[in-house]
Amino acid sequence: AQSVTQLDSQVPVFEEAPVELRCNYSSSVSVYLFWYVQYPNQGLQLLLKYLSGSTLVESINGFEAEFNKSQTSFHLRKPSVHISDTAEYFCAVSEGNTPLVFGKGTRLSVIA
Amino acid sequence: EPEVTQTPSHQVTQMGQEVILRCVPISNHLYFYWYRQILGQKVEFLVSFYNNEISEKSEIFDDQFSVERPDGSNFTLKIRSTKLEDSAMYFCASRWAGLANNEQFFGPGTRLTVL
Repeated sequence: AQSVTQLDSQVPVFEEAPVELRCNYSSSVSVYLFWYVQYPNQGLQLLLKYLSGSTLVESINGFEAEFNKSQTSFHLRKPSVHISDTAEYFCAVSEGNTPLVFGKGTRLSVIA
Repeated sequence: EPEVTQTPSHQVTQMGQEVILRCVPISNHLYFYWYRQILGQKVEFLVSFYNNEISEKSEIFDDQFSVERPDGSNFTLKIRSTKLEDSAMYFCASRWAGLANNEQFFGPGTRLTVL
């Protein structure tokens, strides 16, 4: 069975500092990996996804994640965060057409 | 840009009452999902729906839950007799059948509070 572990429940970081949100997964087959973001009082928005090909994927707002098969990880990074990045970030995995399995989420708090 | 919509945004009900949560998926999508998120916990899968029938459900989705696509646009989740532990944010999601990558588009959620 698939599972997702997000080791950090909360990550405070100063504005313009770099950040890494960790995600590890377990699966017995090839997977699709996703990062969703949830801003306060809003729904889930897809931030970026890994399907196949290049192991480094990027979002339009400066986030990137790297799929590491040997370490079964899909960590999310941003070199310089902004106040507007304050949100809850969820890592999720699926095996083809299976439902998404989510991690518990990491609350990113950007401090001015 | 097309989006998934959900109504109501917040529903308060008494324990034992029936509730119906409504979703309008993106118009050309064919797979539909319900997930829930209990406060402070992770998002959990409830049920998936395709071709007018349930394609998969989790152990959470017991006999108290049902889903329906009553017309060409709405997708509903019914809880027959609500319990305190049903209090959660309920998310609807949809995806196009042609996508093998399982990219699901989520609605803004309905916060259900059972008193």
